[in-house]
Amino acid sequence: DAMVIQNPRYQVTQFGKPVTLSCSQTLNHNVMYWYQQKSSQAPKLLFHYYDKDFNNEADTPDNFQSRRPNTSFCFLDIRSPGLGDAAMYLCATSSKVRPIQETQYFGPGTRLLVL
Amino acid sequence: AQKITQTQPGMFVQEKEAVTLDCTYDTSDPSYGLFWYKQPSSGEMIFLIYQGSYDQQNATEGRYSLNFQKARKSANLVISASQLGDSAMYFCAMREVTGTASKLTFGTGTRLQVTL
Repeated sequence: DAMVIQNPRYQVTQFGKPVTLSCSQTLNHNVMYWYQQKSSQAPKLLFHYYDKDFNNEADTPDNFQSRRPNTSFCFLDIRSPGLGDAAMYLCATSSKVRPIQETQYFGPGTRLLVL
Repeated sequence: AQKITQTQPGMFVQEKEAVTLDCTYDTSDPSYGLFWYKQPSSGEMIFLIYQGSYDQQNATEGRYSLNFQKARKSANLVISASQLGDSAMYFCAMREVTGTASKLTFGTGTRLQVTL
C-alpha cells in the first residue's frame, strides 16, 4: 500500500544535541510538509517542499531546518533542541496534479522528547 | 485570514448512536476546501472526508458525512453508528491555496469518547 512513513516513531534527545527526523513516501507526491503538534494543540505548519522548492513559514524558528534529497524523502533537522521543542512531528504529502481536491496524507508521526 | 472554530472540546456518544461534531469557518476566499481528520492516541492524522466550496452535495464516506451549510459557514461531521474505535481526537481543517501548495488551517479539535 502507498503510504507515508516516519522514522523513528519515538526519539529521545538531549538539550542542545542535534536531531534528525525522517519521512519517506511511496505516493510519489510532489509536496511534502512538516508540522509540529504540541500536546492538546492543533498541528502547526513549519515548512513545506514543492518539488525541490523550500517554503518556510514566517514564524518557524531558525533552529528548524529541512532537506529533501529526492521525491521520496524529506528530513527535519533540529539544530539545538530546547525543552520547548518536545512535541509530535508530523510529515504529510499531497499532489498538485488535482489542486482543487488536494488532500494531505499524514504519516504516523515522531514523538520527540528532549531531556 | 482563515479561521476554523471547533467549540466542543469533548463529546460523549453511546455505541451505535450517531454524533455530530461542530465546525465553523471564516474565509474571504470563494474557493476553499474543508477536511476532517481523525487522530487516535497513536498520533497519526487519518483523513476522513473532504468538501469543496463549490460542491453541490454534502460529502459522504461510509459512516462519515459532512453537513455543509455554506451560508452559515459550517461544516459539521456526522458519524453514524458509532463504534468504540471511533474514540479519538477529530480536527476540522480548511485549505488555503497558496502559490506553491495548499496550507491547512486546523481547528482546536474535539475529543470524542464512545461508550458502551
